[in-house]
Amino acid sequence: GAVVSQHPSRVICKSGTSVKIECRSLDFQATTMFWYRQFPKQSLMLMATSNEGSKATYEQGVEKDKFLINHASLTLSTLTVASAHPEDSSFYICSALGQRQNTYNEQFFGPGTRLTVL
Amino acid sequence: LAKTTQPISMDSYEGQEVNITCSHNNIATNDYITWYQQFPSQGPRFIIQGYKTKVTNEVASLFIPADRKSSTLSLPRVSLSDTAVYYCLLGGATNKLIFGTGTLLAVQP
Repeated sequence: GAVVSQHPSRVICKSGTSVKIECRSLDFQATTMFWYRQFPKQSLMLMATSNEGSKATYEQGVEKDKFLINHASLTLSTLTVASAHPEDSSFYICSALGQRQNTYNEQFFGPGTRLTVL
Repeated sequence: LAKTTQPISMDSYEGQEVNITCSHNNIATNDYITWYQQFPSQGPRFIIQGYKTKVTNEVASLFIPADRKSSTLSLPRVSLSDTAVYYCLLGGATNKLIFGTGTLLAVQP
């Protein structure tokens, strides 16, 4: 149980294109989802917290008009990279907040989406 | 959010027990400690979680002293497939996770 999927797994696009990444919790409902970005050989950086039915909360330094987050249902959050440029090339990872038996709240991570902007 | 500090890297050999210690001197009362494992180009995977004392599951043990200012992840009898980055994270009321550098564990034959 507690599986999170992302689509697409890999995307290559031209500069100026907008790219949408989907994050789905497959077997549980997630009121809260998170979006991270990871550059090569670096750690995950939290971009924003996505709450179902409300506006996302962005971390300092993350442009909300550049990275548009929509969390319209309890199983789906989307991240749209608007007018992507080569510096936006990165590994984007989402997570959904859930609870495993005998644990506190846990973030279940998706497999990630590799974005390459040419 | 309280910061965690881990060794950047560790080396081990197959079959050995590996202990990775994480320092979190400013841990808050409502923070719990979670360890994740990440392979290249994959999302992090939950390993173990605890609040105090000792927790054990099928893959690891987590030791937390009484002052909770540190924690140690213990991996028994590692194999080559355990080569990965291991992250120690604190979670609390906000449920946000701030990832530090993690520890790159390299297991050799």
